Amino acid sequence: EAQLVESGGGLVKPGGSLRLSCAASGVIFSNAWMSWVRQAPGKGLEWIGRIKSKSNGGTTDHAAPVKGRFTISRDDSKNTLYLQMNSLKTEDTAVYYCTTVLRMYDAFDIWGQGTMVTVSS
Amino acid sequence: QSVLTQAPSVSAAPGQKVTISCSGSSSNIGNNYVSWYQQFPGTAPKLLIYDNTERPSGIPDRFSGSKSGTSATLDITGLQTGDEADYYCGTWDTSLSAKIFGGGTKVTVL
Repeated sequence: EAQLVESGGGLVKPGGSLRLSCAASGVIFSNAWMSWVRQAPGKGLEWIGRIKSKSNGGTTDHAAPVKGRFTISRDDSKNTLYLQMNSLKTEDTAVYYCTTVLRMYDAFDIWGQGTMVTVSS
Repeated sequence: QSVLTQAPSVSAAPGQKVTISCSGSSSNIGNNYVSWYQQFPGTAPKLLIYDNTERPSGIPDRFSGSKSGTSATLDITGLQTGDEADYYCGTWDTSLSAKIFGGGTKVTVL
């Protein structure tokens, strides 16, 4: 059974950094396009960005609100996706989900359970 | 404010049908695939519909999607109490080069 498990969330001060991880099992991770999606408390879903498979160039796309501060990467040898978050702001407080992408349809088919990031002084 | 517009809430009695609409533009819904997600409180979203109308394995046929022009619709027929959840539409926006979501619709079973 396919499973994604996020980790690395926690409390961080404004301006600080945090790295989230997403461990994948039951999927051919090296072939998968992956995304991060976040959800602020009581709010809707917000796409953070995606990373393509290495066979598709391994390139990344990041949403405007996080571009230049957040970086998505992957380690296919560890079946792990990462989200490096720098210069964190209070508005980055959210549950962060990793997902696999049905690439042809840009749909998110497998979701992790999420990890909470709180940015507060 | 979301680029895709959804009504904040809809409600109906058990056994009835609800329709959730998602309105966009030619840069998103009009020229890209729409997907729909179901989310219960405190849990991760779940894919209900992709490619505008397709259901992943295990999704009941009570859930159906459609698209016309720059709008998409999710229908839930034979409404059950277990369908009470938030529902989000999503699609790629070519102008923004970003995946976007609607603001979500809360379904209440009366």
